[in-house]
This record gives sequence, structure tokens and C-alpha cells, in this order.
Amino acid sequence: QSALTQPPSASGSPGQSVTISCAGTSSDIGAYKFVSWYQQHPGKAPKLIIYEVSKRPPGVPDRFSGSKSGNTASLTVSGLQAEDEADYYCSSYAGSPWVFGGGTRVTVL
Amino acid sequence: QVQLVQSGAEVVKPGASVTVSCKASGYTFSDHHIHWVRQAPGQGLEWMGILHPNGGSLRYAEKFEGRVTLTRDTATGTMYMDMTSLTSDDTAVYYCVRDRSGSWTFDYWGQGTLVTVSS
Repeated sequence: QSALTQPPSASGSPGQSVTISCAGTSSDIGAYKFVSWYQQHPGKAPKLIIYEVSKRPPGVPDRFSGSKSGNTASLTVSGLQAEDEADYYCSSYAGSPWVFGGGTRVTVL
Repeated sequence: QVQLVQSGAEVVKPGASVTVSCKASGYTFSDHHIHWVRQAPGQGLEWMGILHPNGGSLRYAEKFEGRVTLTRDTATGTMYMDMTSLTSDDTAVYYCVRDRSGSWTFDYWGQGTLVTVSS
């Protein structure tokens, strides 16, 4: 059982938007700004796409955006593209340890 | 460019130990913590522990306390993860991951090392 709760799957057609939720507690997401999101394609290492709730590393398209409200964080992928089909994981600092969500598989229909 | 290059795949017997190495390059080794994260087949990510190259900030996830040891070699810029008393539940890909200073974020990932525990 993961510390953070994500839906197991989400889907959308090309060009549409999909939003993934990540539910935590007042000890992790609710307590810190250190929420991040990772994209993982099959057989590859995860890649950082959002950090500190809503910041994008260089090179990550602005189609990816993050937000937080209370104990829940969200990742939105706008203008879905075929290459966005992957697993997405949220993570939060929880005062050491760090915790992950169980992952959400995004399918582009 | 930042690179974390890990040692190759391992097949070990139940009850044995394994060591995974992680050589860093492309940045100042002493400026960033290194985490270890594992992923069992078809499963999610699990945080194992963290170590700063200066030897500080050593922390383990509770479930790995006493069974995992993180060390480093500052002369070669290499981090190590040792795990003992392996069972089939430890079959997983093990990643070393750089921490993005000031953000407690996993910003660069090694390629992963598959550890298979099998008799």
C-alpha cells in the first residue's frame, strides 16, 4: 500500500487534457511544498517533470502543469500527445522519509 | 551532462547479500545528496534511503533499517548500496537518484540495476 493515493488509470484522446490526483495527508503533501511528479515509459527510468508543486525543469513542455490544494496534489497534461502515454508517479517529502504514489497509467486513446 | 552510471544486473540466492554501485559525473559530487529508490516488477516506486557525499544526512526507510547500508567513496565519486538477507520480495530494479539541492526532489536517475533473488 502506497503512502500517497493515485487513480490506477486515466485516459484521453489526442489534444484533450487529463488530470491525475495524488491524495496525501497533513504530514506529507499538506505540510510541505516539496511535491514532485515523474513520468516513466516502459523499461526506462523515471523522469522528473514537475517539482515544488508547479515548477517545470528545463526542457519539460508547458503542457505539463502541477497544483496543490490542502492534502491533494494534481498533475494536468494538456494537449495530449501520443508520447505522453506512460506511467506517472507523484512524490512528497514527508520529513524523511519520502513517499510515492502508486502510479497512474495514462493511455492516449 | 549529469550522469549516474550504475553497476550491472545481479542474480543472487535467497539469504545472500548484494552491492550496487552508482558513479556520478557531470556535476560537483559533493553538492548533492543521493537517494536510493527501488521498483519491483510491475509495481510502483519505493524510497529506501539517502546519503550526502560528505557522509551526513544518512537516513533509511524504516523497513530497510538494519538490512541496507549506504556508503560513498568521495575519491571516485561513487555511492554504494548494500543489502543483506535477500528474499524473493527484494527482486526489483534499484535506482540511485540525485537530489535537486533545496527542493528535496529526485532530479537525475541512474539507469537502474536489476537484482533478481532466485535459488
